[in-house]
Amino acid sequence: GENVEQHPSTLSVQEGDSAVIKCTYSDSASNYFPWYKQELGKGPQLIIDIRSNVGEKKDQRIAVTLNKTAKHFSLHITETQPEDSAVYFCAASEDGNNRLAFGKGNQVVVIP
Amino acid sequence: DSGVTQTPKHLITATGQRVTLRCSPRSGDLSVYWYQQSLDQGLQFLIQYYNGEERAKGNILERFSAQQFPDLHSELNLSSLELGDSALYFCASSSGQGFPSPLHFGNGTRLTVT
Repeated sequence: GENVEQHPSTLSVQEGDSAVIKCTYSDSASNYFPWYKQELGKGPQLIIDIRSNVGEKKDQRIAVTLNKTAKHFSLHITETQPEDSAVYFCAASEDGNNRLAFGKGNQVVVIP
Repeated sequence: DSGVTQTPKHLITATGQRVTLRCSPRSGDLSVYWYQQSLDQGLQFLIQYYNGEERAKGNILERFSAQQFPDLHSELNLSSLELGDSALYFCASSSGQGFPSPLHFGNGTRLTVT
């Protein structure tokens, strides 16, 4: 099955700086890559996603890039704010269906 | 608010017992997914249902079972509970129509087995 890895496990950034989280996946057949944000006591919330026929997607301060050849994708958060502090999960679809394999998550801490 | 409702929020029970977790999907969603979240394993896919039928199985133990009812709500049954079953259990739903069909998660049920 699909194996998704995330790096780094914890990321601390100064408010206003950018944060980048990288993920790698193992199955070249995977073609859908969502990112989820999880705050304490809540479930994962979808923040952005990308399909394999697109190299980059942006939504306000959040962007995702995909490199199919290298099998990695990244989440970029610009102008970070304290409310961006959370655990971020990347995921990849398995076998072209909606089942997702998740990475183990990155704790992002934005320091005011 | 994702629109996915899970009950109860917390559950504390003893080893060997049986519990039922309940999930109501977003209005209009036909697919329900169950995930287990533990500190060392992250989010692990357990099982998926689509319009009442089992669609896919992941790392679900034989002691665990699930079903989706005609009104589309789903239940996850965990039996002969062990200490290692303590975790957060999430339900997610999607429309199930086309691909991709983004998953929307509930706030989970925290299970503690003592």
